[in-house]
Amino acid sequence: DQQVKQNSPSLSVQEGRISILNCDYTNSMFDYFLWYKKYPAEGPTFLISISSIKDKNEDGRFTVFLNKSAKHLSLHIVPSQPGDSAVYFCAASGRIGNTPLVFGKGTRLSVIA
Amino acid sequence: SAVISQKPSRDICQRGTSLTIQCQVDSQVTMMFWYRQQPGQSLTLIATANQGSEATYESGFVIDKFPISRPNLTFSTLTVSNMSPEDSSIYLCSVGLEGYTFGSGTRLTVV
Repeated sequence: DQQVKQNSPSLSVQEGRISILNCDYTNSMFDYFLWYKKYPAEGPTFLISISSIKDKNEDGRFTVFLNKSAKHLSLHIVPSQPGDSAVYFCAASGRIGNTPLVFGKGTRLSVIA
Repeated sequence: SAVISQKPSRDICQRGTSLTIQCQVDSQVTMMFWYRQQPGQSLTLIATANQGSEATYESGFVIDKFPISRPNLTFSTLTVSNMSPEDSSIYLCSVGLEGYTFGSGTRLTVV
């Protein structure tokens, strides 16, 4: 049973436009949500996180929104750049640090120049 | 956040052999996590390694196949034993310290 779901395997966006990546989760015990970017043959690179007590967190071009009642979060990238092309993973955990992350299947973002 | 040195970065191994992957962390951490990413798939947790006790394995993963050592608070190894082509994956270690950090991964190909 998949606890973290990314239902869009791929997304194409034009350079300069907004990229919106979505993630749903089923476990209400999750307390902490993260987005990672991954290139082939590399480990995941942390992008941005949000704890369950917040509904928005912003860091430069990246904003994560959390809707706890809908068990849904999204990552907004504005403006999108060709260097953003990668696979993006949504992940969730219980108590931060002492519980492992549960990952979605990833969304491949392609930013077209 | 912590910095993790993981090696080897890649290897090509014969079936039936074993490979040991090492992760060294620049900070002391209680828990280390080992993941596998099969081609085109997500990251799946193999086991949680707590220093001073046996690792806790997820469903579908067993100690005989994936023995883990955790001799101190900064180091861990994962061995992939008696390898078959189905073990070809990227293996990653991770720690949770001011966020979650990952090693750079070990790309294993079994031929």
